[in-house]
Amino acid sequence: QKEVEQNSGPLSVPEGAIASLNCTYSDRGSQSFFWYRQYSGKSPELIMFIYSNGDKEDGRFTAQLNKASQYVSLLIRDSQPSDSATYLCAVITGGGNKLTFGTGTQLKVEL
Amino acid sequence: EAGVAQSPRYKIIEKRQSVAFWCNPISGHATLYWYQQILGQGPKLLIQFQNNGVVDDSQLPKDRFSAERLKGVDSTLKIQPAKLEDSAVYLCASTTRGGHRTQRQYFGPGTRLTVT
Repeated sequence: QKEVEQNSGPLSVPEGAIASLNCTYSDRGSQSFFWYRQYSGKSPELIMFIYSNGDKEDGRFTAQLNKASQYVSLLIRDSQPSDSATYLCAVITGGGNKLTFGTGTQLKVEL
Repeated sequence: EAGVAQSPRYKIIEKRQSVAFWCNPISGHATLYWYQQILGQGPKLLIQFQNNGVVDDSQLPKDRFSAERLKGVDSTLKIQPAKLEDSAVYLCASTTRGGHRTQRQYFGPGTRLTVT
């Protein structure tokens, strides 16, 4: 079982819709969860982090964490073509020193 | 504030040759990471430094990869000899609070390595 799992996609949504990206993790001791966005040919950039159960909102982005189900998600409201990118879920594992990434989900926002 | 700097941006070598990558983290960032990102995959941690000491190198193929951060600032990652499967983007990242649960890692632009 992979430590951090994501559906590779592509996930296609129409402009203005809500995009829902999901991630599961295997280490129950994981403390913090991050969403990075990576445009093609570019390096990852942090969108949000979350470490408490529940929802965390920042503008059009909402991160949701359910530690009991070992599940974290990212919602993007009012999706724009500029949101088209690969979204990487990352988890701090190994006692708090190591950031482990999933394979990423490719999002395509269509006009 | 200047970001994480990496060089070269691109490198093409033949298998069995050697190559070195350089990284200069954001000023004041004590923790530095090297990641390998193969096309279609997420970044994989190769090595983590805290100042000039190694925190985690469990996924570094030590028979061919080496890394150093002698003065606790910039770092060099070397591959010798290179294999075809080393073709990837090598990302350097830094943070002020390595290991903290809210750590934000800042990534450099990466070095794209092609081994032929």
